[in-house]
Amino acid sequence: AQKVTQAQTEISVVEKEDVTLDCVYETRDTTYYLFWYKQPPSGELVFLIRRNSFDEQNEISGRYSWNFQKSTSSFNFTITASQVVDSAVYFCALSEAAQAGTALIFGKGTTLSVSS
Amino acid sequence: NAGVTQTPKFQVLKTGQSMTLQCAQDMNHEYMSWYRQDPGMGLRLIHYSVGAGITDQGEVPNGYNVSRSTTEDFPLRLLSAAPSQTSVYFCASRRTGNQPQHFGDGTRLSIL
Repeated sequence: AQKVTQAQTEISVVEKEDVTLDCVYETRDTTYYLFWYKQPPSGELVFLIRRNSFDEQNEISGRYSWNFQKSTSSFNFTITASQVVDSAVYFCALSEAAQAGTALIFGKGTTLSVSS
Repeated sequence: NAGVTQTPKFQVLKTGQSMTLQCAQDMNHEYMSWYRQDPGMGLRLIHYSVGAGITDQGEVPNGYNVSRSTTEDFPLRLLSAAPSQTSVYFCASRRTGNQPQHFGDGTRLSIL
């Protein structure tokens, strides 16, 4: 069965600190997709990144970077030099290719609070 | 391009009432889903559809019905509302099975 675990419920940092959000997943499928979404205080869900199981290259987008390690079933998200606008709930999600008809399975989310 | 549109944005119901949450997308996406979001629980899948006429249950389907008569619309029905169904409901769509999901803005539902 597929499962996504975000062990960090809440994280508080001060502006300009780096912060890493952890995501550990479980799947029996060899082909799968991992996602990160951001939910700011306004409530909408914003797509950040998709990574397939065959692409273990790390990705950097501005202050955001993602570290995908199949050996530890982890897909961690780092924000460098955090800003107050980064305050949000962040969700990691998993989709299995064999179950492509189903929707994404989400972790419970990590609430990030960045203070000035 | 409106994306995924959910109506209403807010609703208060009394226990036992019925209602339908509307969801429409204009991106010609085959896959649509309904989630509920509760504090500390993340997003849990209620029902999903892989195309017109095809629906299936997710993790928490009890108390909810869905139908998919057109590609564009995927309404969620509460037949007899219960306080446990107080939640924020999100509708989502995507083009293929493993593409990112596009979410609506959510419906905040309170059952008294």
